[in-house]
Amino acid sequence: AQKVTQAQTEISVVEKEDVTLDCVYETRDTTYYLFWYKQPPSGELVFLIRRNSFDEQNEISGRYSWNFQKSTSSFNFTITASQVVDSAVYFCALSENSGYSTLTFGKGTMLLVSP
Amino acid sequence: NAGVTQTPKFRVLKTGQSMTLLCAQDMNHEYMYWYRQDPGMGLRLIHYSVGEGTTAKGEVPDGYNVSRLKKQNFLLGLESAAPSQTSVYFCASSQRPSDLTGANVLTFGAGSRLTVL
Repeated sequence: AQKVTQAQTEISVVEKEDVTLDCVYETRDTTYYLFWYKQPPSGELVFLIRRNSFDEQNEISGRYSWNFQKSTSSFNFTITASQVVDSAVYFCALSENSGYSTLTFGKGTMLLVSP
Repeated sequence: NAGVTQTPKFRVLKTGQSMTLLCAQDMNHEYMYWYRQDPGMGLRLIHYSVGEGTTAKGEVPDGYNVSRLKKQNFLLGLESAAPSQTSVYFCASSQRPSDLTGANVLTFGAGSRLTVL
């Protein structure tokens, strides 16, 4: 069975600090997909990134970067120079190739960025 | 371009009452999903559908029924609401996965907050 663990329940930082959100996953499939979604205080779920299991290259998008390591089954998310607008709950999710794109979510990490 | 629309956005029910949540998508997506979000639990899959007329159970299907009579709509029903069903419900849709693209990105609705007293 697939499982996603986000051990950090809540993180508080001061603006301009860098912060890393951890995600560890479990799956028996050799082909799978990892996702990060953001849920701001308004409540909607915003897609951030999708990564397949064959692509271990790190990705950078502006202040966001993702580190995918199959050896440790981790897909960590780093925000550089955090801003107040980054305050949200961040979810890591896993989809197995055989799973009709159904996502298994972690419990989420609430990030609070104070001025 | 509305994307995924959920109605109603808020609802208060008494124990034992029934209701239906409606999800509509205008992106011609094959797949649709219902999730529930509870504090500290993340999102959990209730039911999903891989096409018109088909439905399947997810992780937490008990107490819910679904129907997909039209491709663009996915209904979630509670026949006899219980306080344990107090939650925020999210509908999502996606294109059919392909050998080329694999699992596709889910597009979520804004959520429906249900309180059962």
